[in-house]
Amino acid sequence: ETGVTQTPRHLVMGMTNKKSLKCEQHLGHNAMYWYKQSAKKPLELMFVYSLEERVENNSVPSRFSPECPNSSHLFLHLHTLQPEDSALYLCASSQTSGTSEQYFGPGTRLTVT
Amino acid sequence: AQSVTQLGSHVSVSEGALVLLRCNYSSSVPPYLFWYVQYPNQGLQLLLKYTSAATLVKGINGFEAEFKKSETSFHLTKPSAHMSDAAEYFCAVSEFGATNKLIFGTGTLLAVQP
Repeated sequence: ETGVTQTPRHLVMGMTNKKSLKCEQHLGHNAMYWYKQSAKKPLELMFVYSLEERVENNSVPSRFSPECPNSSHLFLHLHTLQPEDSALYLCASSQTSGTSEQYFGPGTRLTVT
Repeated sequence: AQSVTQLGSHVSVSEGALVLLRCNYSSSVPPYLFWYVQYPNQGLQLLLKYTSAATLVKGINGFEAEFKKSETSFHLTKPSAHMSDAAEYFCAVSEFGATNKLIFGTGTLLAVQP
């Protein structure tokens, strides 16, 4: 595997379900990010992990719970979601130093029914 | 705080025509600037980046962008559009700090007509 991978690519879940999104980066980076991309809305930064420590949480509802067990893996745990949480969830990684470009995974298309 | 404005949420060009996608930024310090492309149901792919070296930056797929400090602009161009260029394009500026956060514009959807 190369770059940033995300699983699953598509997920349909009911409002009472619990599921997790997984992201893995194979680039040797030390920062990872979760973004939400909804139709007709700007890209929303949700969480930032730097050196496995959460350094930013942009007022995201508690039904979204991130986890970063090591610098290569990032999870987003989901529970009791709302239909408005349906979106494309993108993971990205970067170095914390240097030119800071982020590399993105293909995303997980989440539909909440 | 840094910000990015992309003028025109939709741009349509004919195949073979010039592509010009506009991006203006605000930053109190010399910024790092990026253009990303997103094809349907995919993640964002880095097209090119400006990091205070040459002001004219060449990227992948024949795209280039010019950093103009006096105009606070970083417009993306391609001399001749191809059907495969149809996608959404995002401009971003790097916000310096512990997280090296990127601030994204709202995106421009490029349509290429045959």
